[in-house]
Amino acid sequence: GENVEQHPSTLSVQEGDSAVIKCTYSDSASNYFPWYKQELGKGPQLIIDIRSNVGEKKDQRIAVTLNKTAKHFSLHITETQPEDSAVYFCAASIFGDYKLSFGAGTTVTVRA
Amino acid sequence: NAGVMQNPRHLVRRRGQEARLRCSPMKGHSHVYWYRQLPEEGLKFMVYLQKENIIDESGMPKERFSAEFPKEGPSILRIQQVVRGDSAAYFCASSRTVTNEKLFFGSGTQLSVL
Repeated sequence: GENVEQHPSTLSVQEGDSAVIKCTYSDSASNYFPWYKQELGKGPQLIIDIRSNVGEKKDQRIAVTLNKTAKHFSLHITETQPEDSAVYFCAASIFGDYKLSFGAGTTVTVRA
Repeated sequence: NAGVMQNPRHLVRRRGQEARLRCSPMKGHSHVYWYRQLPEEGLKFMVYLQKENIIDESGMPKERFSAEFPKEGPSILRIQQVVRGDSAAYFCASSRTVTNEKLFFGSGTQLSVL
């Protein structure tokens, strides 16, 4: 089955700086890569996703890049704000399938 | 339009007791997925159900765990004779069609086994 590894496990950044979270996956058949944000006491919420037919996708201050050859993808958050503090999960799957394989999560803390 | 509703938010059980976790999908959604999140780990797929049918339970332990999604009412994840290792956060998600895209997750049930 798919194995997703995520690094780092914790990340502390100064407000206004950028944050980068990296994930690798094992199954070359995976072609759908969503990112979820989980705030304290809440369920994961989708913040951005990318399919393997594109290498990069942006949505305001967040962006995701994908390197299919190396089987890794990354989340970039620019101009971080305190409300960006949360646990972020990457996931990998085959588009149209119903299972998601999640990484272990990154706890991001934005220091004011 | 209410999101995915899970209850209870917190559930405390002693070893050997039964735990029942409920999940009401979003309106119009007939596909439900249960995931388990152990401490310091990501979410792990447990089971996928459609109304009245279990489609895939490959991620669910064979013993003590069962799930249902009746024609009327919420989906239920049932854990019999709980053990300490069952302590985790249990999340459900729902969708209108079978998909992994843009899943909507509930806030989860935190199960603590004493």
